[in-house]
Amino acid sequence: DIQMTQSPSTLSASVGDRVTITCRASQSISSWLAWYQQKPGKAPKLLIYKASVLESGVPSRFSGSGSGTEFTLTISSLQPDDFATYYCQQYNNPWTFGEGTKVEVK
Amino acid sequence: EVLLVESGGGLVEPGGSLRLSCAASGFTFSTYSMNWVRQAPGKGLEWVSTFVSWNNAIYYADFVNGRFTMSRDNGKYSLYLQMNNLRVDDTAVYYCVRYGYGEVAFDYWGQGTLVTVSS
Repeated sequence: DIQMTQSPSTLSASVGDRVTITCRASQSISSWLAWYQQKPGKAPKLLIYKASVLESGVPSRFSGSGSGTEFTLTISSLQPDDFATYYCQQYNNPWTFGEGTKVEVK
Repeated sequence: EVLLVESGGGLVEPGGSLRLSCAASGFTFSTYSMNWVRQAPGKGLEWVSTFVSWNNAIYYADFVNGRFTMSRDNGKYSLYLQMNNLRVDDTAVYYCVRYGYGEVAFDYWGQGTLVTVSS
């Protein structure tokens, strides 16, 4: 099975910061990579699919890049609503998630 | 509006069984593949199973090991997960999740139902 490794596990940042989260796959997944945001007690929300395509309604400060085995999620200017946990997911069978990155207030 | 509403969670003893249900609305259920994803308390997301709509193939995570059965009733707009021989480490919130068309990933999630396995 393909393993997904996210880094960092925790990220401390301030409003307005540029934030980057990395996700590495144990083997090539082409661009079959999605990013989700989850807030405490809530279901995850799809942000980006196909590595770089922004889901409808997601603010443009979110962007994704990468292909093959290395991917990044970038928040260009962190907003108060963005403090949450972020997960990457490769969506080739079998589907696997990264361990998550918690973005917390610095 | 797409809605997914899970039910059927609760407290069960190790070795017991539960059947989770997911009621779907706001989209043509039969044309979408569907998933179950779980999250243990304080832990990350873990894929459980997928039902592919176009060929009725069902896939399970290795840890399921024949204990869970995923099914769907397109006429009732419903998805199910029959869980048998439950273990303490199956304790989690179970989410019903829609698989988007084409290249889109898991695009809509239910609010989840909590399964607690404990003696």
